[in-house]
Amino acid sequence: DIQMTQSPSAMSASVGDRVTITCRASQGIRDYLAWFQLKPGKVPKRLIAAASSLQSGVPSRFSGSGSGTEFTLTISSLQPEDFATYYCLQHKSYPLTFGGGTKVEIK
Amino acid sequence: QVHLVQSGAEVKTPGASVKVSCEASGYTFTSYGFSWVRQAPGQGPEWMGWINAFNGDTKYAQSLQGRVTMTTDTSTSTVYMELRSLISDDTAVYYCARAGADDSLDFWGQGTLVTVSS
Repeated sequence: DIQMTQSPSAMSASVGDRVTITCRASQGIRDYLAWFQLKPGKVPKRLIAAASSLQSGVPSRFSGSGSGTEFTLTISSLQPEDFATYYCLQHKSYPLTFGGGTKVEIK
Repeated sequence: QVHLVQSGAEVKTPGASVKVSCEASGYTFTSYGFSWVRQAPGQGPEWMGWINAFNGDTKYAQSLQGRVTMTTDTSTSTVYMELRSLISDDTAVYYCARAGADDSLDFWGQGTLVTVSS
């Protein structure tokens, strides 16, 4: 199975801050990497597909980069609605595996 | 637009079974597969398995082999997930998600809370 190591596990940030979250795959997954935002009681939302393609309707302050084993999700200017938990997902091979999550909290 | 609507919350006793449904609309049902993902309280998401909505082929997580079955009903565009021999650790929110063209999970249902308690 491919292991996904995500960091940090939690962070405190202020509105307007630039936020960077990293995922590392235990083996190369090319660009088979997606980023999701999860909020309690809400439908999970895919933000980024194919490592760097912004999902339709997702604000442009979200961006993704990377290929192979190292990936990054960046929020250029954190907004109040962005306080949530973020997960990466590798879909290169089954079983699909998620990173451990990054909880972004208000400083 | 794509919409996935899941069945309502369930409360089960240990040893029982649960069957969660997920009705899809807004696209051709048999053109995509589905994954099921669960999230236990305070934990991250866990992939449970995948079903091809066209031919019914399945892949299951090793940890759930023998306890989980995924099926589809193409006449109603509905996918089902049955989990048997429930234990307290199965308490979680269960999500269906459409497996897009690249198997990424592009659209999700609203989630179904399954509580296992005696």
